[in-house]
Amino acid sequence: KQEVTQIPAALSVPEGENLVLNCSFTDSAIYNLQWFRQDPGKGLTSLLLIQSSQREQTSGRLNASLDKSSGRSTLYIAASQPGDSATYLCAVRRGSYIPTFGRGTSLIVHP
Amino acid sequence: DVKVTQSSRYLVKRTGEKVFLECVQDMDHENMFWYRQDPGLGLRLIYFSYDVKMKEKGDIPEGYSVSREKKERFSLILESASTNQTSMYLCASSSGRGMSYNEQFFGPGTRLTVL
Repeated sequence: KQEVTQIPAALSVPEGENLVLNCSFTDSAIYNLQWFRQDPGKGLTSLLLIQSSQREQTSGRLNASLDKSSGRSTLYIAASQPGDSATYLCAVRRGSYIPTFGRGTSLIVHP
Repeated sequence: DVKVTQSSRYLVKRTGEKVFLECVQDMDHENMFWYRQDPGLGLRLIYFSYDVKMKEKGDIPEGYSVSREKKERFSLILESASTNQTSMYLCASSSGRGMSYNEQFFGPGTRLTVL
């Protein structure tokens, strides 16, 4: 059974820092991996989707990488801003309709 | 932009009531999903549907049923609401057939409280 772990569970950084969020998965035979952000009391917003054949995806200040062999993905956020404060979740899909979600990393960026 | 809408943002119901949660997507997606999200437990899949009138159980289907009569609409039904069904309910949709479904898009969520 696929297990997805996100470390750290919580992170607090000053504005302007570059930061890395981690997502680890136990079964490397994945189809794709998706990163989301969730604001308190809201739904999930899709950030990036990486297919299994890709190594990374970029969108603005966000860059997500995928290393299937080591079972890891990282989400890099450049020049963090208070508006980046949210919970970030990764979801891994192995071979069915059902993705497996991590528990998320709660990020606070303080001014 | 893909839009997934849910019928209510907040809902308060009494134990034993029948509850309907509606989800509509406007991008002609084949696949639709219902999750619940609870502190400490993360997202758990209740049901999903990969076509009209098709449904598959997720991890926690007990106490729930679903209906998909039209492609754009996926309804979650609590036959007899109980207090342990108090939760945030999230609907999602994605394109793709078979094993190749793509990016998931989520609705804003419905916070359900059962008294």
